[in-house]
Amino acid sequence: AQKITQTQPGMFVQEKEAVTLDCTYDTSDQSYGLFWYKQPSSGEMIFLIYQGSYDEQNATEGRYSLNFQKARKSANLVISASQLGDSAMYFCAMRDLQGGSEKLVFGKGTKLTVNP
Amino acid sequence: KAGVTQTPRYLIKTRGQQVTLSCSPISGHRSVSWYQQTPGQGLQFLFEYFSETQRNKGNFPGRFSGRQFSNSRSEMNVSTLELGDSALYLCASRAPPQETQYFGPGTRLLVL
Repeated sequence: AQKITQTQPGMFVQEKEAVTLDCTYDTSDQSYGLFWYKQPSSGEMIFLIYQGSYDEQNATEGRYSLNFQKARKSANLVISASQLGDSAMYFCAMRDLQGGSEKLVFGKGTKLTVNP
Repeated sequence: KAGVTQTPRYLIKTRGQQVTLSCSPISGHRSVSWYQQTPGQGLQFLFEYFSETQRNKGNFPGRFSGRQFSNSRSEMNVSTLELGDSALYLCASRAPPQETQYFGPGTRLLVL
């Protein structure tokens, strides 16, 4: 079974600085997908970025980039130039195909606070 | 395109009652998944529907059920509510073979 570990319950960053949120995963699959979602206090899960296991380059989406290190089984999210609106919970997730369908397995999340 | 919509956004029920939550996926998305989020258990998969068929169900009791209609809209039902069912229920839609699931705003259920 897939497992996602996020070891940072909370992180603080100054506005305009970069921050890295850690994510490690465990899987026996050769092909897999990793996701990052942002959850503001309103509750909605907002998709940020996706990395496929066979993608040769790290994924980037605007200020978000994914530092994918396959041998270490890590998929850290890097947010550049933090903004106050980045304050939220961040979840790392992995696709799980067991049971005949696609479901997401989530980590416990990291609460990011951006200070002015 | 409009995003995933969920109704109602907030709900208060008492123990023993039943509740129905609704989810309208992004247009063209035929897969709908449901997740429960609680402070103690985090985000847990409930079930996935595709073309009106339940493809998978998470480790939840039979009190949790769902269905999907021909227009891909989905409902989930929880019968005989318990205090522990208080949670944020999130619906997500996907357009296979694309892998990314897009979530709605969620329904916050409080069971008293």
